[in-house]
Amino acid sequence: GGIITQTPKFLIGQEGQKLTLKCQQNFNHDTMYWYRQDSGKGLRLIYYSITENDLQKGDLSEGYDASREKKSSFSLTVTSAQKNEMAVFLCASSIGGTGGDEQYFGPGTRLTVL
Amino acid sequence: GEKVEQHESTLSVREGDSAVINCTYTDTASSYFPWYKQEAGKSLHFVIDIRSNVDRKQSQRLIVLLDKKAKRFSLHITATQPEDSAIYFCAASMDYNQGKLIFGQGTKLSIKP
Repeated sequence: GGIITQTPKFLIGQEGQKLTLKCQQNFNHDTMYWYRQDSGKGLRLIYYSITENDLQKGDLSEGYDASREKKSSFSLTVTSAQKNEMAVFLCASSIGGTGGDEQYFGPGTRLTVL
Repeated sequence: GEKVEQHESTLSVREGDSAVINCTYTDTASSYFPWYKQEAGKSLHFVIDIRSNVDRKQSQRLIVLLDKKAKRFSLHITATQPEDSAIYFCAASMDYNQGKLIFGQGTKLSIKP
């Protein structure tokens, strides 16, 4: 088996601040994803990456940057935190780059912006 | 783009009864439909999926039905147990080769004793 680790677990930021969230997986999966989960809205894809140094935009990429430094890690940057923003950011990985592969999710990073 | 609608935001059933969660999608090119479960305080994990070349799939107490004509799919949980209580998310993949899942809003299922 494998595991996905997300750091930090809780992130408190100030309006306008640049914030970075990190994700590591030891499944040796090719594809990694970042989702945002808002209460009552399901999950929305921010960025995904099908291999090291690859980046693909999801439907919610505006206001975010991402970086796939190596196969096992995928980081997400909130470029300018919005006041009163609250959401959970979930990292996931899957074996391949197709929509038909099971995705494995990390425990999440809960963001609060003051 | 593709939209996935999950019709029940909450659902409450008595232990032992069946629960049904319904989803619709908009893009006829969607070919892969997984379901994920999120228990309280935990992250999501995969429970079952169906591909567009079949219209029914069963795994133990879970049954997924797909109606491509109506662009609708559903999750049936039979003989519900307390541990089935969770939020269930349906999803659809509009392009098999792109790794993009579009999720529904989630259904909170409560199992009453």
